[in-house]
This record gives sequence, structure tokens and C-alpha cells, in this order.
Amino acid sequence: GNSVTQMEGPVTLSEEAFLTINCTYTATGYPSLFWYVQYPGEGLQLLLKATKADDKGSNKGFEATYRKETTSFHLEKGSVQVSDSAVYFCALSLGVSGGGADGLTFGKGTHLIIQP
Amino acid sequence: EAEVAQSPRYKITEKSQAVAFWCDPISGHATLYWYRQILGQGPELLVQFQDESVVDDSQLPKDRFSAERLKGVDSTLKIQPAELGDSAMYLCASSLASGGPDTQYFGPGTRLTVL
Repeated sequence: GNSVTQMEGPVTLSEEAFLTINCTYTATGYPSLFWYVQYPGEGLQLLLKATKADDKGSNKGFEATYRKETTSFHLEKGSVQVSDSAVYFCALSLGVSGGGADGLTFGKGTHLIIQP
Repeated sequence: EAEVAQSPRYKITEKSQAVAFWCDPISGHATLYWYRQILGQGPELLVQFQDESVVDDSQLPKDRFSAERLKGVDSTLKIQPAELGDSAMYLCASSLASGGPDTQYFGPGTRLTVL
């Protein structure tokens, strides 16, 4: 089956530190990969995505590169801020163009805490 | 900015009772999803609709759960009877079209507590 594994949290960092949240996946086909973020008191929202190997998704200073050879999609940010404190979810979808099932398979989430 | 609406936001019920959740997707979004998120876990897909048709309900516990999207717009998820293990956040999401890497937009969720 399909699955996503991401590093356990909570991850606690100081402001301006470098962030890496590891994500690896297992899929029966060629997935699209996503990072979703859930800020305190808010709903899930898309942070970035990549749809094919070697694609780099980026948004708000965060980046992740689709690595097919290592089945990974690690999230990175060069300098984190207190406002980045949230729960981050890695996810995959096996949907293909033309319609059909494309529900997301999520990892368990990583709680990130940034201290001033 | 258009949002996915869900109600109620919170629901407390006793086991063996029936509960229902409602979702109104972003206008024009053909695809609607229901997910269940147990505390400390990632969301898990329950059912996906394309317009009024079910595309995927392979993970829906059909002995007690049902979902409908009669006119291809809003949707209702029902649990009857509720069990203690159903306590979770129920999330609705929508996207423009299925089958590609379209962004799924999530609603705020309904938190269900079964006593």
C-alpha cells in the first residue's frame, strides 16, 4: 500500500535556525508530493507541492525537492521564525490527469516549535 | 477569499446515537473529500466525490458510515450508530477537479466526541 513516514516531533528550534523535517514515502505508482501546514487554531493549508522527480516546491521560504531515487521529500527552511510554529504534514497523491481517485495519504505530522 | 464551510464545529454525542456533519465546498469545486483525523495522527481519506458520484469510498466503514452529495454541491456525512472509537476531527476538503495534483482546500473541521 501507500504510506508516508515523517520524523517524530516535537521539533524545537531557536529563531533563525536551519530547519529540516524528513519525509519518505512508499507508493504503488508515481505520486505527487505535498507539504501541508496547520497553524494553531487554523485548518490545514497547502504549503508546497511537487509533481515529478527533481521538481522543487517552494513557498514562504520553505523548500522541498522530489527525490525519486531515495523516495524522499524533505522540508527545509534556512532561517525559521516564531510564526513558523505549527504542525507540518507530508502527503502523497496517486491521482493522474483525466479524473479518478486522488485522495491524499498523510504522514502523522511533525509539531514544530520555534523559540524566540 | 472563498472557504470550505463545515458545521457543526463541535459535536458531543453518546455511543449508539446518530450524528451528521455538513460540508459546503468552495463554489465551483467539482471534487469533495471527507477525511478523519484522530488526535496525533494525519488525516485519513474516508470518501471522495466527483460532482454527485462517489469516486473512492474504499476506506469508509460502510456498516455505520454513509455520505451523500445529492446535487453535486454540499455534502453530508453520517454515522449511525456512533462508537467510542469514532471520536476524531472530521475534515472536508474540495478541489477544482480530480485526477491531477490540484490543491485540496480544507475546512475547519468538526470535532466529534463520543461518550
